[in-house]
Amino acid sequence: GAGVSQTPSNKVTEKGKYVELRCDPISGHTALYWYRQSLGQGPEFLIYFQGTGAADDSGLPNDRFFAVRPEGSVSTLKIQRTERGDSAVYLCASSLEIGTSGSNEQFFGPGTRLTVL
Amino acid sequence: GNSVTQMEGPVTLSEEAFLTINCTYTATGYPSLFWYVQYPGEGLQLLLKATKADDKGSNKGFEATYRKETTSFHLEKGSVQVSDSAVYFCALSDVHNNNDMRFGAGTRLTVKP
Repeated sequence: GAGVSQTPSNKVTEKGKYVELRCDPISGHTALYWYRQSLGQGPEFLIYFQGTGAADDSGLPNDRFFAVRPEGSVSTLKIQRTERGDSAVYLCASSLEIGTSGSNEQFFGPGTRLTVL
Repeated sequence: GNSVTQMEGPVTLSEEAFLTINCTYTATGYPSLFWYVQYPGEGLQLLLKATKADDKGSNKGFEATYRKETTSFHLEKGSVQVSDSAVYFCALSDVHNNNDMRFGAGTRLTVKP
């Protein structure tokens, strides 16, 4: 596709359930990022992949959150034992490989709105 | 660590008014600076960027200049339109820090006719 896509667009779940959120980056983009945006806040960094490996997962709030990117393209963010505080919009972004100078523009998907009841 | 602080909103202006949204940053290296915009019901879109000191980013009548001496990247537009109503986010990324983006809290702009 032309841009970053995320599915589902909306997810409603019950406290304690497991959810998976999917991100399809722009073809050829080797870097992939997950962010979380709570209501009225800016996006908050969660995890970054360069290829298949998680190069930086320092933003994951706790061990209930996990993300994979097994083939270096599609990524899945997994949340176990969901809590009401996990409710937010989860954004995915992709960019060309990390360069040593200048910026590598990140292109954002539309997000998945997660609601934990 | 790296961080961004931007002017709190909401901001309400009349059409054709002058807009300034302040943004300052803290960074250990030499980050790239961005303004993203989020229109109602839409995803984040890059509005403009600057990659080094004294660079000016511009797009759709908006401008921002990378000021290293004041660690600022204020967003300006000379004459706003109703269609500019959106939430604006200042952000930075640093190639020495995996390029992950650090965002400000966002400033909601409403332009009235």
